[in-house]
Amino acid sequence: GNSVTQMEGPVTLSEEAFLTINCTYTATGYPSLFWYVQYPGEGLQLLLKATKADDKGSNKGFEATYRKETTSFHLEKGSVQVSDSAVYFCALSGSNQGGKLIFGQGTELSVKP
Amino acid sequence: KAGVTQTPRYLIKTRGQQVTLSCSPISGHRSVSWYQQTPGQGLQFLFEYFSETQRNKGNFPGRFSGRQFSNSRSEMNVSTLELGDSALYLCASRELRGIGTAPYNEQFFGPGTRLTVL
Repeated sequence: GNSVTQMEGPVTLSEEAFLTINCTYTATGYPSLFWYVQYPGEGLQLLLKATKADDKGSNKGFEATYRKETTSFHLEKGSVQVSDSAVYFCALSGSNQGGKLIFGQGTELSVKP
Repeated sequence: KAGVTQTPRYLIKTRGQQVTLSCSPISGHRSVSWYQQTPGQGLQFLFEYFSETQRNKGNFPGRFSGRQFSNSRSEMNVSTLELGDSALYLCASRELRGIGTAPYNEQFFGPGTRLTVL
């Protein structure tokens, strides 16, 4: 079945450091890929998405490219801020799965000033 | 537009009891999905409703059920609560014209209901 694997946390960075959170997936067909972020005490917010191979999703300085050849969707940001501290989830929606999102286990990011 | 709202935000129950959680989607959104979030299992899909019909279901026992009303509001019910049902239950809504279309439509999540089973 479909699955998502992302790097374990927690990840601790200093402000302005470069961020990479790795995400790989297993899926049949052509899934859509997402990154969601969860701030403490809140629900999930969509950070970015990509719906086909080689698409690049971007938002608020974060980027991720849908790589079908490596089945990856790594999240990157060039310069993190303290306000980026949160838990990040990689997710996929299978081509015949409608609203069913399959999530990775989440990566907690802590950014220190 | 108002976001997805969930009530109650916090709930404490004892083993064996049942519980009903409510979700009001964003106005105009006809699809509602439910997820369970726990530290051990992470985020897991429970079910999705569209036009008052369950369209997709995750791997949860029959104690977990749901329904959707004509105004798209949804409820989920857990009967015979177990300690392991303690979790954050998240509801998400998305805009959908017809089932099977646009799987990439963004799902908007509510803040969740924190259920504690003692």
